[in-house]
This record gives sequence, C-alpha cells and structure tokens, in this order.
Amino acid sequence: QKEVEQDPGPLSVPEGAIVSLNCTYSNSAFQYFMWYRQYSRKGPELLMYTYSSGNKEDGRFTAQVDKSSKYISLFIRDSQPSDSATYLCAMTPEGLTDSWGKLQFGAGTQVVVTP
Amino acid sequence: SQTIHQWPATLVQPVGSPLSLECTVEGTSNPNLYWYRQAAGRGLQLLFYSVGIGQISSEVPQNLSASRPQDRQFILSSKKLLLSDSGFYLCAWSYGNIEAFFGQGTRLTVV
Repeated sequence: QKEVEQDPGPLSVPEGAIVSLNCTYSNSAFQYFMWYRQYSRKGPELLMYTYSSGNKEDGRFTAQVDKSSKYISLFIRDSQPSDSATYLCAMTPEGLTDSWGKLQFGAGTQVVVTP
Repeated sequence: SQTIHQWPATLVQPVGSPLSLECTVEGTSNPNLYWYRQAAGRGLQLLFYSVGIGQISSEVPQNLSASRPQDRQFILSSKKLLLSDSGFYLCAWSYGNIEAFFGQGTRLTVV
C-alpha cells in the first residue's frame, strides 16, 4: 500500500467551477502537508502548505487537513484555464530542517479547466 | 535570488549505456539537494538526497548512483541503463524552510 494515495484523474471542469482535489495517507507521523502544481514538462512548484490540521486560504486556493481521517484537500474557486495542470499532494514528518525536501508525494491529479 | 539548473532537458539513451545528469544551484550555500524520479501515474519518488559535499543517502535500491563533488552540484549517474530507468528526473533543493525548489527536469527515454 502506498503511503499517499491520490486519484490521477483527469478531472475536467468548466471555467468558473470549483475544483476539489484530495489525498489520503497512512503515516500518522506526517505533519506538514503541501500542494504542488506542475505544468506539462515542467518541475513542480509549491502552491501552499499547512501544518497539522485545519484550513488555510490563499486567494482562490483553500487547503484543508483532517488528521483524524488522514485526509487532505485542495479547493480551487473560480477556476481558470490557466489552472490546468497536474496537482500533487506531498507530505513530510516533522523533524530537522534537513528533511524538508524529503517528501512523500501522491501520484498527482491532472486537472483540465475548459473555457 | 536562488536558481536551479538541470540539464539536459531531454535524453534518449540505449540500454546498457552510461548516464550522467547534472544539477547546479545558484544563490545559496550548503543547500540540501535531492533527486526525484517521476514515472507516469506514480508521482515523484525520492531517489537520493544530500546534506553536504560527499554525503549521499539513497532512499531506494536501484541501478543509479549520485554524487556531490561540490557544494552546489549534484550528479545522477548510471553505469548501464535499463529500460526501467526511463522517466522524468527532477533535481530539487531546500534550505531551512518548508519549500523544495525543483528544476525543470530531464525526460530520459531508454530504448
């Protein structure tokens, strides 16, 4: 069983709709939860991260973490065609700063926002 | 500002040939460096990480090796490529914060 599960999609939505993405995980030691966005043939870039449980909002993006259910979500409001990309969840246990880049990634969900 | 360079962008190599992918970071000192591989539908898998010159940790057994000859240089190598080594290879760096910064990746096809 993978430590992080993520539906690969593709997920197709019309422009302006809410995009809902999620991941489940099995390692209860995970404390930092991140969402990366990856455009085709490019390296991933960090969208946002949350620590432990709760919600975090940044513009049109909202990240949620439910540690009791081992479930994280990313919502994109008012989706735009430029949001079309692969979204990867990633997570890491709390520890020394030398481990920030040692991330466990989900498979990534391909999102297509149609005009 | 910090930048990460990774090359080549695309590579087609025959089975059994050697491999050398290079990654360099500018604008920071003593970064943590990482090599990830991304296979289709499987997300990113951490292959190697390094916290300093000559210090390499391997996360999974494989046909690949890594070296860090200089503070901001990270090299991924293989003596003999296998078909299963095909994939998208990404170098990344981090330093004392939550974000890992990725290069643009090398798409390797072993034929």
